[in-house]
Order: sequence, then C-alpha cells, then structure tokens
Amino acid sequence: AQSVSQHNHHVILSEAASLELGCNYSYGGTVNLFWYVQYPGQHLQLLLKYFSGDPLVKGIKGFEAEFIKSKFSFNLRKPSVQWSDTAEYFCAVNAKGGNKLVFGAGTILRVKS
Amino acid sequence: EAGVTQFPSHSVIEKGQTVTLRCDPISGHDNLYWYRRVMGKEIKFLLHFVKESKQDESGMPNNRFLAERTGGTYSTLKVQPAELEDSGVYFCASSQDLISGGARETQYFGPGTRLLVL
Repeated sequence: AQSVSQHNHHVILSEAASLELGCNYSYGGTVNLFWYVQYPGQHLQLLLKYFSGDPLVKGIKGFEAEFIKSKFSFNLRKPSVQWSDTAEYFCAVNAKGGNKLVFGAGTILRVKS
Repeated sequence: EAGVTQFPSHSVIEKGQTVTLRCDPISGHDNLYWYRRVMGKEIKFLLHFVKESKQDESGMPNNRFLAERTGGTYSTLKVQPAELEDSGVYFCASSQDLISGGARETQYFGPGTRLLVL
C-alpha cells in the first residue's frame, strides 16, 4: 500500500529564512507527486506537481520541489519565505493513471514577521 | 471557470441524526472524489466516481456512508446515522480524466464541509 511521510508537523521560521519540507513516499510503481497548500480559512490549493520529465519542478509563489527517485523523496523548497506563506502544506502521491491521492499528515508552517 | 463547490460549509448534528453533504465538481470533470480529514490525522480517500459510476469505494468507513452521483454531475454523501467519530472535514475533488496524464489528472479540491457530531 502507498504511504507518504512528512518529516515535520510544525515548522516556525522568520521571514526571509529558507524553507525545506521533507516528503518521502512508499510505492513500488510509477507515481505522480503533488504538494498542496491550505492557507488559513481557504481551501486546498495545488502548489506544484510532478508527472514526468525534469525532476525539479517549479510551482506558484516561488516554491519548487525536487523528485529524487532513488530516495523516494519529493521535498518542497523556497529560498526566502514570507509571512503570507503561513499555511498547512500537504504532500500527496498517486499511481500513474490511478485515482486516489494518498496524503501525508501535513506540515503547519508559521512564518514570523 | 468555477471551482469545486461544497455545501454546507459547516454542519453540527447530534449523534444518530442524518447529514447529507453535497459536492459540485468543475464542469466537464468526469472524475469526482471524496476525502475526509479527521482532526489531527491525514486526509484520507473515501471514494471515486467516474461519471455516475463508483470506480473505487475502498475508503468508505462502513455502511453508514452512502455516496451517489446521479446523472454524473453533482454528488452527495450521506451519513446515516452519524456517530461521534464521523466528525471531521469532508473534502470533494474533481479531475478531468485519468488517461491523458499531466494536467488532466490533477485533482482540484473544494473548500470542504466541517462536520461536527455531538
């Protein structure tokens, strides 16, 4: 069965600090990988996704993620966070052509201004 | 283009009562999914419709949950009778199709329905 592990449940950073949120998945086949974000009071939004090709994917708001197949990882990064990045971040995976997304437990990021 | 919408946004009911949640997917999206997040836990898959057919309902917790998608448009998720452990946020998502890959496989989420069973 697929599973997703997010390494940190809570992260607190000061503005302008760099961010890296870890995500590892367990699945034997080919996968699609996603990061979703939920800002306070808002619904889940797609931040970025990886289906194939360049393992370094760029998303909205300056976020990027790198797929490292050998490590089953898809870590999210941002060089300089802003107060507005305060949100909960979810890593998710599904099988190619599959349906259900399997989510990690989520990481709550708080950025201090 | 309108996004995925869900109704109601919040529902507070007593144990033993019935609640029906509604989801309207993005127009033209054949795939509709229900997920649930119980407090403090991860978001978990409940079921998947392709048009009006249930493709996968492996995540449905028990037979107190009934999902329908008549006509292949909006979907309802009924909980009857509700129990305390059913409290959580119920998310709906939709996607275009599973075959093409890429953007058409991406699932877009609604705002969720917060259900509290007392």
